[in-house]
Amino acid sequence: AQTVTQSQPEMSVQEAETVTLSCTYDTSESNYYLFWYKQPPSRQMILVIRQEAYKQQNATENRFSVNFQKAAKSFSLKISDSQLGDTAMYFCAFSSTQGGSEKLVFGKGTKLTVNP
Amino acid sequence: KAGVTQTPRYLIKTRGQQVTLSCSPISGHRSVSWYQQTPGQGLQFLFEYFSETQRNKGNFPGRFSGRQFSNSRSEMNVSTLELGDSALYLCASSLVGGPGTEAFFGQGTRLTVV
Repeated sequence: AQTVTQSQPEMSVQEAETVTLSCTYDTSESNYYLFWYKQPPSRQMILVIRQEAYKQQNATENRFSVNFQKAAKSFSLKISDSQLGDTAMYFCAFSSTQGGSEKLVFGKGTKLTVNP
Repeated sequence: KAGVTQTPRYLIKTRGQQVTLSCSPISGHRSVSWYQQTPGQGLQFLFEYFSETQRNKGNFPGRFSGRQFSNSRSEMNVSTLELGDSALYLCASSLVGGPGTEAFFGQGTRLTVV
């Protein structure tokens, strides 16, 4: 079974600075998908960024980028120019390509606080 | 377009009762997944439905069940409620589901069992 580990329960960063959230995962599969989801206090989960394992190029979405290290099974999220609105829980998630299902396996999350 | 709608937003039930939660996916989305979120266990997958068929199921007891209707709306039911069932229940929809698909989440139903 796949597992996802986020080793930083809480982090804080000053507005406009850069922060990196860590995520490691365990799987025996060679192709899969990895995600970062954001859950603000409103509770609604929002997709931040997605990476397909067979693509070597790291995904980027505006101020958000990932460092995907397949051999190390590491998938960290970098947030540049942090904004107050980035304050939220961030969840790393894994999706298997086997079985045809959309099932997401989530890490326990990192609570990020952006300070003014 | 309207997002994923979950009703009710909050619910308080007594141990032993049963409860039904509802999820209306984004128009055109055919896949609906359910997750349970608790402080201790985090987010755990309950099940996924696609075209009225359960496509995958998580490791939850049989007290947890669900269904999907022809209009893709989904319900989940929990029977014989236990205190440990207190959680935020999240529903997510996607166009056809499947690996790598972006899931759009609702705001959840907060269930409290007393």
